[in-house]
Amino acid sequence: SYEVTQPPSLSVSPGQTANITCSGDTLGDKYICWYQQKPGQSPVLVIFQDNKRPSGIPERFSGSNSGNTATLTISGTQAVDEADYYCQTWDSSTASYVFGTGTKVTVL
Amino acid sequence: EVQLVESGGGFIQSGGSLRLSCAASGFTVSNNYMTWVRQAPGKGLEWVSIIYNTGTTYYADSVRGRFTVSRDNSNNTVYLQMNSLRGEDTAVYFCARDMILRGVIIRGFDSWGQGTLVTVSS
Repeated sequence: SYEVTQPPSLSVSPGQTANITCSGDTLGDKYICWYQQKPGQSPVLVIFQDNKRPSGIPERFSGSNSGNTATLTISGTQAVDEADYYCQTWDSSTASYVFGTGTKVTVL
Repeated sequence: EVQLVESGGGFIQSGGSLRLSCAASGFTVSNNYMTWVRQAPGKGLEWVSIIYNTGTTYYADSVRGRFTVSRDNSNNTVYLQMNSLRGEDTAVYFCARDMILRGVIIRGFDSWGQGTLVTVSS
């Protein structure tokens, strides 16, 4: 089955840029979504189709996807951005959805 | 306003069965792709199952043959019947809606319920 991996954790200072990566074989050939999940809450979609933001998501969230790596970028990171972030794609060969392993972002 | 409300979770012995419900409001489930995602305590998200607007269903390898997704159009509700439950099925189960943008299925989830906890005692 298709697998995507993320670094377990990432620390960033307030105001700095956080780059969260998601890796998988020829991932660039697939569309990627990104979710933010805070403790005790449901996930929230922050990026779809690699680089599009749903209504209400701040402009500081952006995405890219090429080769074997997709990246979620948080520019000017704020304390409220501290959360777990998951990438997700759809594997057409098995008609299944695949989540990345998740990255815990700490703002300090 | 789009809303998804899960129910039916609880404590169950290994080998037992449980049915989860996901009541939708603000949209029609039969016109959408509806999915179940679970999250074991302290762990990441795991896709479980989906039911398309056509009624076609797909399952993760870990639950195929044990779980069944269905829907009741009259109640605008999606269900997950879980049989032969195991300890590793212990998780919060979320239902979610696949996003549609200008008639295109995005293959990402724009609305989520609050989740319901299933605890399987082994």
